[in-house]
Amino acid sequence: DAKTTQPNSMESNEEEPVHLPCNHSTISGTDYIHWYRQLPSQGPEYVIHGLTSNVNNRMASLAIAEDRKSSTLILHRATLRDAAVYYCILRDVYGNKLVFGAGTILRVKS
Amino acid sequence: DTEVTQTPKHLVMGMTNKKSLKCEQHMGHRAMYWYKQKAKKPPELMFVYSYEKLSINESVPSRFSPECPNSSLLNLHLHALQPEDSALYLCASSQDLSAGGHIGTDTQYFGPGTRLTVL
Repeated sequence: DAKTTQPNSMESNEEEPVHLPCNHSTISGTDYIHWYRQLPSQGPEYVIHGLTSNVNNRMASLAIAEDRKSSTLILHRATLRDAAVYYCILRDVYGNKLVFGAGTILRVKS
Repeated sequence: DTEVTQTPKHLVMGMTNKKSLKCEQHMGHRAMYWYKQKAKKPPELMFVYSYEKLSINESVPSRFSPECPNSSLLNLHLHALQPEDSALYLCASSQDLSAGGHIGTDTQYFGPGTRLTVL
């Protein structure tokens, strides 16, 4: 499985945008970029995914670099409830596997 | 209903006990998963069931025995566990889009987990 690299932790102020980066320089042409997050004392939760184009949904936006070697998860207005561990995962087309990396701990200050 | 339920929420067992963890979903998903998560670590995949057949076993010790009685239920039978097996056990489900070649878009729904302590 191709690997991802994320910062260990980030901090944001409430109601400000947050940009969570992810590097995946060994991504293959068929790998999808998935983001999940895990709130304290809960199971992981799907956030968003994309292949080549930028994506938006009600939770977040995903910006994918043109060469696909990096991506950024954007939370447009962080709230205290967004404090979580955010995982960037590459999903290949060959099997039912999610391989979680260490993720980024996002802290949101009021 | 987009919920995956897991029972029990907490479980304490001795090393000679036999216990089972249960997971249920009613989203019509055909893939179900068990993950293990140690404190402050990411989840690690243990098993995958696809259309009620075991498709992935990530070299998990035989003291963990999965079972998928039907497409909505997933069990994890535990026997002769060690204290280092204490962890959060997460269940997940997904549509399983592998047959259609769209596995890259398949998203997983996770339950809240069972916190297991082995004494």
